[in-house]
Amino acid sequence: DTAVSQTPKYLVTQMGNDKSIKCEQNLGHDTMYWYKQDSKKFLKIMFSYNNKELIINETVPNRFSPKSPDKAHLNLHINSLELGDSAVYFCASSPATPYEQYFGPGTRLTVT
Amino acid sequence: GNSVTQMEGPVTLSEEAFLTINCTYTATGYPSLFWYVQYPGEGLQLLLKATKADDKGSNKGFEATYRKETTSFHLEKGSVQVSDSAVYFCALRSTNAGKSTFGDGTTLTVKP
Repeated sequence: DTAVSQTPKYLVTQMGNDKSIKCEQNLGHDTMYWYKQDSKKFLKIMFSYNNKELIINETVPNRFSPKSPDKAHLNLHINSLELGDSAVYFCASSPATPYEQYFGPGTRLTVT
Repeated sequence: GNSVTQMEGPVTLSEEAFLTINCTYTATGYPSLFWYVQYPGEGLQLLLKATKADDKGSNKGFEATYRKETTSFHLEKGSVQVSDSAVYFCALRSTNAGKSTFGDGTTLTVKP
């Protein structure tokens, strides 16, 4: 009965590589998000999609590209990984505003 | 724009101590207010919420009251347990906003 799932849970890779993180929600929500959490636990929104359409695109390097094949899935592709990309990435979903968000378990990305 | 300011951590308490984590906000309109909790190694999960002024959210012994006059939503618990050790995030969501605004998080450690 997992609500929001992400794969993989851990991702270790070298600088310059390209990687993807997948997210799926089975809650029937229209809106999905990607967040980045740094080592100090600060949470920063990166992107938001509503019914497969991009509605929020914060100041994020264009090496990061989200893709939503349908409203239950939101994937994150990262090109040319850099050391500073090391963080925990969370996917989340919500029904229409102003309701709460449901978070996935996170993907810990380590770039060496 | 919207903003959330929460008490800086870390906070360390002994078991059965009283907990208060302060949260104040700035927002246009009438936002919904939330407290999320993040246990070690996990994603954020909703702890409690309040959607209008004077509402009190409560869950697992935690409480917070939506105070419009002081623009605050302080989190309280009368007697903390070791299992309450986590990072706590205050957040708001306006009815016309596509995203939530999160505070910086407060790390709570409860010692036996």
